[in-house]
Amino acid sequence: AQSVTQLGSHVSVSEGALVLLRCNYSSSVPPYLFWYVQYPNQGLQLLLKYTSAATLVKGINGFEAEFKKSETSFHLTKPSAHMSDAAEYFCAVGLDTGRRALTFGSGTRLQVQP
Amino acid sequence: KAGVTQTPRYLIKTRGQQVTLSCSPISGHRSVSWYQQTPGQGLQFLFEYFSETQRNKGNFPGRFSGRQFSNSRSEMNVSTLELGDSALYLCASSFADSNTEAFFGQGTRLTVV
Repeated sequence: AQSVTQLGSHVSVSEGALVLLRCNYSSSVPPYLFWYVQYPNQGLQLLLKYTSAATLVKGINGFEAEFKKSETSFHLTKPSAHMSDAAEYFCAVGLDTGRRALTFGSGTRLQVQP
Repeated sequence: KAGVTQTPRYLIKTRGQQVTLSCSPISGHRSVSWYQQTPGQGLQFLFEYFSETQRNKGNFPGRFSGRQFSNSRSEMNVSTLELGDSALYLCASSFADSNTEAFFGQGTRLTVV
C-alpha cells in the first residue's frame, strides 16, 4: 500500500520569493511520483514526474522536484513565484505493478501575494 | 492533439436518481481511470478500465460502476444518488504501458439535491 502526505494545506509567498511545497510518501515498492496543479474549476495538469531516471526532475513553468529516497520526500520548488502560480498543487504516487491508480495527497493551496 | 474530453461539464440531479458521465480519452490511450474529488475526502480513485475490462477498483460502493467501449471511450454510472455523491468527477487517460502518467480531463461537476 502507498500513501502521500502533503505538509501545509495552505502556503503563502510573495511574488518573486521561493516556492517550497512539501510531499512525503510511503510505498512498499519503488514508486513513481508526480506533481499536478489544479486551477479553479479545472482538471489536473501534470507539472513533473519522477520515474527513477534522475533524482532531480525539471517540470513545466519553472518547477522542479528532488526525489530523496532516504527522506521519502519529493518536495516541489520554484525559485521565483509568479502571480499565475496561485493554484492547488497535488503530489501523487503510482506503482508500476499493473495497477494504474494514483494515490493523491490532500493538496496544498498556494497563494502568491503581490 | 485533443485532450481528454468529459461531458457534461455540469450536472444537477435529485437524490435517488442515476447519472451517467462520459469520458473520451486522448487518441491512442487505452487506459481510462476515474477519480472523485470532494473537499472532505480529496481525490480518490474509483476504477480503471483497459481494453473494455475493469482492471482496478477503488473502495467505493457498488452504486458506482463503469464501462469502456472498443474505441476506449468510457462511461461511469452512479445509481441511487446520495447527497454525498456531489463532487467533481475526473477522468484520466494514459498509454497502456506507461509508468502511470495520466492526463486529466476538466471534470464533470455533479451536484445532488
